[in-house]
Amino acid sequence: TQLLEQSPQFLSIQEGENLTVYCNSSSVFSSLQWYRQEPGEGPVLLVTVVTGGEVKKLKRLTFQFGDARKDSSLHITAAQPGDTGLYLCAGAGGNEKLTFGTGTRLTIIP
Amino acid sequence: DAGITQSPRHKVTETGTPVTLRCHQTENHRYMYWYRQDPGHGLRLIHYSYGVKDTDKGEVSDGYSVSRSKTEDFLLTLESATSSQTSVYFCAISATDSLWGTQYFGPGTRLLVL
Repeated sequence: TQLLEQSPQFLSIQEGENLTVYCNSSSVFSSLQWYRQEPGEGPVLLVTVVTGGEVKKLKRLTFQFGDARKDSSLHITAAQPGDTGLYLCAGAGGNEKLTFGTGTRLTIIP
Repeated sequence: DAGITQSPRHKVTETGTPVTLRCHQTENHRYMYWYRQDPGHGLRLIHYSYGVKDTDKGEVSDGYSVSRSKTEDFLLTLESATSSQTSVYFCAISATDSLWGTQYFGPGTRLLVL
């Protein structure tokens, strides 16, 4: 069974600050997705990374896939209240089912 | 928007009653999934489908059954609801040719079993 650990579990910061959240595993994944989920809604896909070392940017969000494809990070620059939500990572490995982390709950304080 | 709707969005039921949740997609995707989301457990796979009438179990399938008689509809049934099945249920589809590729989620059904 593949496990994904996300850290921190909870993060509360002031608007305008930078932050990084992490998604770690001992397993190798063929791809990894990041989602953001707001209360009462389903997870919304932010990005998929597939190549070791890959970096993708989505406005103020920067996603990196580890060289060994076992971990990933999400960095947010100049956080805004609209970034508030639950951030989930999910890894896919060959014929293994998609494995989800338990998430990082991010609160941006205006 | 992956064209996924779920119904009902909210439901309250009593222990021992059957409950059916519906997932409907409009884009002819082959692969569909049912997950439940609970605090401390994240998203856990209940059942999935790889085509009409082709389904398989996920990691938490006990007490649940599914049916897929049409490409666009994937039904999740709780045969006899229990309080432990109180949860938020999400349907998802894979928008790729891979069974375990990137998934897109519906808005969820919040189920309370009293």
